[in-house]
Amino acid sequence: NAGVTQTPKFRILKIGQSMTLQCTQDMNHNYMYWYRQDPGMGLKLIYYSVGAGITDKGEVPNGYNVSRSTTEDFPLRLELAAPSQTSVYFCASSVQGDSPLHFGNGTRLTVT
Amino acid sequence: GEDVEQSLFLSVREGDSSVINCTYTDSSSTYLYWYKQEPGAGLQLLTYIFSNMDMKQDQRLTVLLNKKDKHLSLRIADTQTGDSAIYFCAEKDSGGGADGLTFGKGTHLIIQP
Repeated sequence: NAGVTQTPKFRILKIGQSMTLQCTQDMNHNYMYWYRQDPGMGLKLIYYSVGAGITDKGEVPNGYNVSRSTTEDFPLRLELAAPSQTSVYFCASSVQGDSPLHFGNGTRLTVT
Repeated sequence: GEDVEQSLFLSVREGDSSVINCTYTDSSSTYLYWYKQEPGAGLQLLTYIFSNMDMKQDQRLTVLLNKKDKHLSLRIADTQTGDSAIYFCAEKDSGGGADGLTFGKGTHLIIQP
């Protein structure tokens, strides 16, 4: 079972560059989430989606955008990368809002 | 807003029991979760407890919930080197929203030989 798959695993960006972090899940989960994890800070919710075509901001959405054109895919877009976006990004999915979250293995992003 | 607090480090000897504690502020929490994160990996769901329960046991893991004090603990019996990881407490409020979970900052479990 693939579960939640994130690509790439690692990426280095220069300030001002853009990129898309990919996330796909094969569990037919309606709910999907993007978190960022900074050392000693736990996980902060960036964006979430309750189904195809629906997205909402989380706690720290500034500098990011998302789309949800299909149930399976939930890409996260950084338009103008900044050093403050250096972090580990985790995508997750769940059956419904109060179900356990299933996480991908993360994307480690460095912006220099 | 909701807040989840954990101590950052816990050191135990191999074979002893580990008890990781967590406090939360949202009295309307419905589900409380424990996740494990090994180095370079994502978060793996260990166990969860519904707010109307006070204990849940699953093999070496025991979760205790004191709803009055808003205190959650995870006990790992017979701690092994493979248990070395960061353990996150997380809660889901009862607001019905889909905005995921509120996580603590994680407790680093260090195993001494």
